[in-house]
Amino acid sequence: ETGVTQTPRHLVMGMTNKKSLKCEQHLGHNAMYWYKQSAKKPLELMFVYNFKEQTENNSVPSRFSPECPNSSHLFLHLHTLQPEDSALYLCASSQDEARNYGYTFGSGTRLTVV
Amino acid sequence: DAKTTQPNSMESNEEEPVHLPCNHSTISGTDYIHWYRQLPSQGPEYVIHGLTSNVNNRMASLAIAEDRKSSTLILHRATLRDAAVYYCILRPSGTSYGKLTFGQGTILTVHP
Repeated sequence: ETGVTQTPRHLVMGMTNKKSLKCEQHLGHNAMYWYKQSAKKPLELMFVYNFKEQTENNSVPSRFSPECPNSSHLFLHLHTLQPEDSALYLCASSQDEARNYGYTFGSGTRLTVV
Repeated sequence: DAKTTQPNSMESNEEEPVHLPCNHSTISGTDYIHWYRQLPSQGPEYVIHGLTSNVNNRMASLAIAEDRKSSTLILHRATLRDAAVYYCILRPSGTSYGKLTFGQGTILTVHP
């Protein structure tokens, strides 16, 4: 257990479904991140939140919609996804986006789009 | 962002030291060198980071070349639990620090 909890661990959804991924940390961190890890590809940064404000959207399609209601929780809302969106979605947190602290990652949500 | 080059894979025997190399010839003076590793079915975990001087912690040691164009992560006694993908990442610094950008990493296999 790293201190960053992601739910669910596995998710299978149809292309017309709407689902949400949840990430929670009680490490007192103020920055939270979503990464995507597809098979045979490096981790790709998707979104960054610092003190609840979105500071980076790495050209992510609008079918992915992040939400950060407070510094401890981060959501990724999914709708009308494509099969190529199947991947491991990783959440991470750090003390502060702008400072040289390490990232703490969750174990990820394995998403399969059918 | 400056890039890093790592071997695709390496192998080691249990209880032997492992030296994982990383080349970063275009590193700038303010880039920090970070290492993370990803065990099977888990997210990446922080291992160590440094700027110019060699660094030690309970997990590993980081040896940084004098010209900073390369570095080596040293696992002093590999165990089966050290089998993972190891990522060498340059993190820009300045008025604020850049995000962690992951490459392909080195797949480390540890044999009993």
